[in-house]
Amino acid sequence: SQTIHQWPATLVQPVGSPLSLECTVEGTSNPNLYWYRQAAGRGLQLLFYSVGIGQISSEVPQNLSASRPQDRQFILSSKKLLLSDSGFYLCAFSTGSSDEQYFGPGTRLTVT
Amino acid sequence: AQSVTQLDSQVPVFEEAPVELRCNYSSSVSVYLFWYVQYPNQGLQLLLKYLSGSTLVESINGFEAEFNKSQTSFHLRKPSVHISDTAEYFCAVTPPGGYNKLIFGAGTRLAVHP
Repeated sequence: SQTIHQWPATLVQPVGSPLSLECTVEGTSNPNLYWYRQAAGRGLQLLFYSVGIGQISSEVPQNLSASRPQDRQFILSSKKLLLSDSGFYLCAFSTGSSDEQYFGPGTRLTVT
Repeated sequence: AQSVTQLDSQVPVFEEAPVELRCNYSSSVSVYLFWYVQYPNQGLQLLLKYLSGSTLVESINGFEAEFNKSQTSFHLRKPSVHISDTAEYFCAVTPPGGYNKLIFGAGTRLAVHP
């Protein structure tokens, strides 16, 4: 079966520190991968999506970057965190046989 | 550009009462429509979706939504809610073939009280 993992589950980081959030998918090949951010009391904002290894599209300019070093691995990074980067980060995937997206459990990031 | 409007940020309701969560979208092209549910501190789970065919779609836990093209709406309804339905509900759209880039509404927090 298809599953998606995210870690860590929670993270508290000081302003100016680096960030690395990891997402991995199992049970499917060549998925489309997505990173979303959910700020407190707001909906989900698509940050990045990827249709293949090394192919990253950014939806909004920001302090974050994404990489896809392997087919089923998606990484969200930052060199220097800002207070405004706090939020709930969700990774998701979709496959060619389905129009829906499957979401991971999320990472709650608090920048202090 | 496509957008999704969820008119109610919070909906309080008593257990066993009916509920409707409203969703309107704007798009110049045909879209696929989705409702997702998010329980506290968890990821999103798909509740139901409309791709084509019958405009009324149902979920396994008693929710239903009706696609209304003329009103560009996809409201979610349940005739009798349970305490366990307390969660945040998100409406989303995506154009067919658009790499499934979902556009989400701001969400509606459903609070079911005993």
